[in-house]
Amino acid sequence: DTAVSQTPKYLVTQMGNDKSIKCEQNLGHDTMYWYKQDSKKFLKIMFSYNNKELIINETVPNRFSPKSPDKAHLNLHINSLELGDSAVYFCASSQGPSYGYTFGSGTRLTVV
Amino acid sequence: GQSLEQPSEVTAVEGAIVQINCTYQTSGFYGLSWYQQHDGGAPTFLSYNGLDGLEETGRFSSFLSRSDSYGYLLLQELQMKDSASYFCAVRPNQAGTALIFGKGTTLSVSS
Repeated sequence: DTAVSQTPKYLVTQMGNDKSIKCEQNLGHDTMYWYKQDSKKFLKIMFSYNNKELIINETVPNRFSPKSPDKAHLNLHINSLELGDSAVYFCASSQGPSYGYTFGSGTRLTVV
Repeated sequence: GQSLEQPSEVTAVEGAIVQINCTYQTSGFYGLSWYQQHDGGAPTFLSYNGLDGLEETGRFSSFLSRSDSYGYLLLQELQMKDSASYFCAVRPNQAGTALIFGKGTTLSVSS
């Protein structure tokens, strides 16, 4: 029944490690996004894919690499994790510009 | 640059009415949206205004004035469960852009 699902929900890892977060949506939406929410709750766009094609790549360190194997999936891989990467990462999808985004439940990443 | 301004905190009592304002400065404009986020939860879509005027959805209403680059979210008959963060968001009017969010307003409803 879940519309946008992310795994894992929590991720605690050491500096320098590589980790991935997976996202899947069953809404049939064409566009998917990754947002980062910092400790002050600021939501910042990282990437956007439309039908498997990258359309937005904000100023994000190239340690972050999104991958979209099909339009229902958008994964985020992070290399060489740093303390400053600690945040909540949200995946979202949308049907179009006039429609709301549906967010996943978020992945709380803690780098120690 | 792009910026959205909204108050950081608002407090109110149950049954009251609260208005959360949002002013924006963006390179383009494709509509103003509002999202609610409870602590530990995901943002959830509340409303969208593409044209000037008022949109009503139950206890919540949202207003937009494009000429003033201004909008607000009106919450009526407040309930304790309305305690949450509320974000306004704008999509600049460029192909392939994503929502830009304000920094959020924390609403605390007390009994």
